[in-house]
Parts: sequence; structure tokens; C-alpha cells
Amino acid sequence: KQEVTQIPAALSVPEGENLVLNCSFTDSAIYNLQWFRQDPGKGLTSLLLIQSSQREQTSGRLNASLDKSSGRSTLYIAASQPGDSATYLCAVDIYGQNFVFGPGTRLSVLP
Amino acid sequence: EAGVVQSPRYKIIEKKQPVAFWCNPISGHNTLYWYLQNLGQGPELLIRYENEEAVDDSQLPKDRFSAERLKGVDSTLKIQPAELGDSAVYLCASSLGLIDEQFFGPGTRLTVL
Repeated sequence: KQEVTQIPAALSVPEGENLVLNCSFTDSAIYNLQWFRQDPGKGLTSLLLIQSSQREQTSGRLNASLDKSSGRSTLYIAASQPGDSATYLCAVDIYGQNFVFGPGTRLSVLP
Repeated sequence: EAGVVQSPRYKIIEKKQPVAFWCNPISGHNTLYWYLQNLGQGPELLIRYENEEAVDDSQLPKDRFSAERLKGVDSTLKIQPAELGDSAVYLCASSLGLIDEQFFGPGTRLTVL
């Protein structure tokens, strides 16, 4: 059974810092991995989708990498801003059979 | 382009009552998902539709939960009867196809008293 974990569970940083969020999965047989952002009381917003054949994806200040063989993905946020404060979740698509989420990392960026 | 629409946004009911949630996916999206999210946890897939066909409903508690997607567009998720443990946020998402990027609605927060 695929399990997805995220470290750290919570993170607090001062504005301007670069930071890395980690996502690990137990089964490397995945179609893709997706990173989401969730603001309190809101739905999920898609940030980046990495197909299994790709190594990384970039969007603005965000960069996500994928290493299927080691079962790891990282989300890099450059020059963090208070508006980046949210919960970040990763999810893996298991060959179109299921979509498993991690528990999320709660990020606070302090002004 | 309109996003995924869900209604109601909030619902409070007493246990043993029925409840229904509605979802309208992004136009042209063939795949629709229903998730359950408990506080402090990631969403858990309940059921996934490819057009009007349920392709994965293994996590749906079929004794009290049911879902339908008539004509392959809108979808309804029903709970009957609701239990205290069903209190959670119910999220709907859609994508072009089974392995494409998912887009989520705002969710319905259910409270069962």
C-alpha cells in the first residue's frame, strides 16, 4: 500500500528565506506527483505537476523535483513571502488507480 | 474559465439524517473525484469517475454513502444516514483525464451533531 509522508509537519521562517519541503513515498510505481497549496478553510490549489518521466518542474519562485528511485520529491520556495503561508501537500498518482496525499506541511512566513 | 463548483459550502445536520453534496466540474473535464478531508490530514479519495463510470470506488463506505454522475458532468455524493464520524470537509476535483492535473473545488464542510 502506497504511503506518503511529509517532513517537516510545520515550519516557521522569516520573510525572504529560501526553504525546502520534503515528500516521501513508498512505492515508486507512480504516474505523476503533484504539489498543492491549501489555505485555511479553502480547497486545494495546484502548484506543480511532475510526470514520472520528468525530474523537475518550475513555476515562478517554486521548483519541484522528483526522484522516483528513492521515492522522494522536494518543493523549493525561493525568497519566501508572508503570502506563501499555507499548508503544502504532495500527492502521488498510482498508475491511474488511486491518488494518495501526504498529511501536509504547515508553513508560516513571518514578516 | 469557471473552476470546480460545489454546494452547499457548509451543512449542519443531526445524526441519522440524510445529506447530499453537489459538484459541477470544469467544462470538458472527463474525470471527477470526491475526497474526504479530516482536520489536519490530507484528502482521502472516496470515488473517481471517468465520464459517468465509477472507475475506483474501493474507499467509498457503500453501506451509507452513494454517488452518481449522470450524463458524465455534474455529480452528487449522498450520505444516508449520517453518523457523528462523518463530520469532515468533502472535496470535489476534476481533471481532463485520469493522470492529468487535478483542480479542486472549495469543499463542503459537514458537521453532524
